[in-house]
Amino acid sequence: GENVEQHPSTLSVQEGDSAVIKCTYSDSASNYFPWYKQELGKRPQLIIDIRSNVGEKKDQRIAVTLNKTAKHFSLHITETQPEDSAVYFCAASISNYGQNFVFGPGTRLSVLP
Amino acid sequence: KAGVTQTPRYLIKTRGQQVTLSCSPISGHRSVSWYQQTPGQGLQFLFEYFSETQRNKGNFPGRFSGRQFSNSRSEMNVSTLELGDSALYLCASSLVRGTNYQETQYFGPGTRLLVL
Repeated sequence: GENVEQHPSTLSVQEGDSAVIKCTYSDSASNYFPWYKQELGKRPQLIIDIRSNVGEKKDQRIAVTLNKTAKHFSLHITETQPEDSAVYFCAASISNYGQNFVFGPGTRLSVLP
Repeated sequence: KAGVTQTPRYLIKTRGQQVTLSCSPISGHRSVSWYQQTPGQGLQFLFEYFSETQRNKGNFPGRFSGRQFSNSRSEMNVSTLELGDSALYLCASSLVRGTNYQETQYFGPGTRLLVL
């Protein structure tokens, strides 16, 4: 079955620096890759997603890149701010029929002022 | 629109008991998925319901079951609770535009279950 690995597990950056989180997946049939941000005690919230027919997507300070050949996708956050501190999860779809996802283990990002 | 809601928010049960959790999706969303979140295992997919039918299922034992009502509200039931079932149970709803198209999932606040 699908396996999603995520690195690093923890990441500390200085405010204003960039942060990069990488995920790899195993099932070449996966075609939808969302990223979620979960602040302490709160629900996961989608921050950006990418489909397999696109190589890169950007939304203000956040971007995601996808390499289908290598089966990996990455989250890039530029000009980090303290409010970016949270746990970030990547996910990969494992079914073309409905909603069925495997999540990475998460990356705890700390943005130091 | 109101977001996804879950009840109850907190629950304490003892081993062997059963529990029912409820999820109300965003109005118009017909897909409801359930996840278990624990520090050790992360976010794990339990199942997805669409049009009152279970459409996808994760790798959980049969003690975990669910259902969906005609108004898209969903319930999840865990029977014969074990200590390891202590977790945050999240539901997520999605708008459905096509069967072969993955949609954005909107999560509820979760139900924190503690099994003693």
